Amino acid sequence: DIQMTQSPSTLSASVGDRVTITCRASQSISSWLAWYQQKPGKAPKFLMYKASSLESGVPSRFSGSGSGIEFTLTISSLQPDDCATYYCQQYYTYPLTFGQGTKVVIK
Amino acid sequence: QVQLVQSGADVKKPGASVKVSCKASGYTFTRNAIHWVRQAPGQRLEWMGWINAGNGNTKYSQKFQDRVTITRDTSASTAYMELSSLRSEDTAMYYCARDPGGGNGDYYFDYWGQGTLVTVSS
Repeated sequence: DIQMTQSPSTLSASVGDRVTITCRASQSISSWLAWYQQKPGKAPKFLMYKASSLESGVPSRFSGSGSGIEFTLTISSLQPDDCATYYCQQYYTYPLTFGQGTKVVIK
Repeated sequence: QVQLVQSGADVKKPGASVKVSCKASGYTFTRNAIHWVRQAPGQRLEWMGWINAGNGNTKYSQKFQDRVTITRDTSASTAYMELSSLRSEDTAMYYCARDPGGGNGDYYFDYWGQGTLVTVSS
């Protein structure tokens, strides 16, 4: 199975800060990576696919980059509504696997 | 708008089976695959398998291959996930999620159900 590892596990930042989350795959997954946002007690929300393609309706302050084994999710200007846990997911091969999550909190 | 509505929380004894439903609306059910993903308390999301809602073909994670069955009822626009031989480690929130791709799928998830909490306890 492809292992997905996110860093950091928890990120504390101020409103307006630029925030970056890293996701590393245990082998190359090309650009077959998606990102999700999950708030406590809620289902995940789809943000992005193919590493950098933003889902319709997702604010433009979210962006993604990377290919191969290293990927990043960036929030250009952190907003209070962005407090959540973020997960990456590879869909290069079965089984589909997720990172362990990065919790973003407001300082 | 696309909605996936799941059945309610359930409590089961070890060794029993559980069947969770996922009713879709707001799109043509047979055009998209449905995946099942679970999340144990404090753990990462874990993919279990998926069904092509059009032709009924399924693919399961090897971890669950022997215990999970995913089916669908096209007349009811509903997908089902049945997990057997339950153990305490199966206590988790179970989600259905739609695959945005038609046919063979895109293998990521654009809409999610609200989740169904399954508790396994003696």
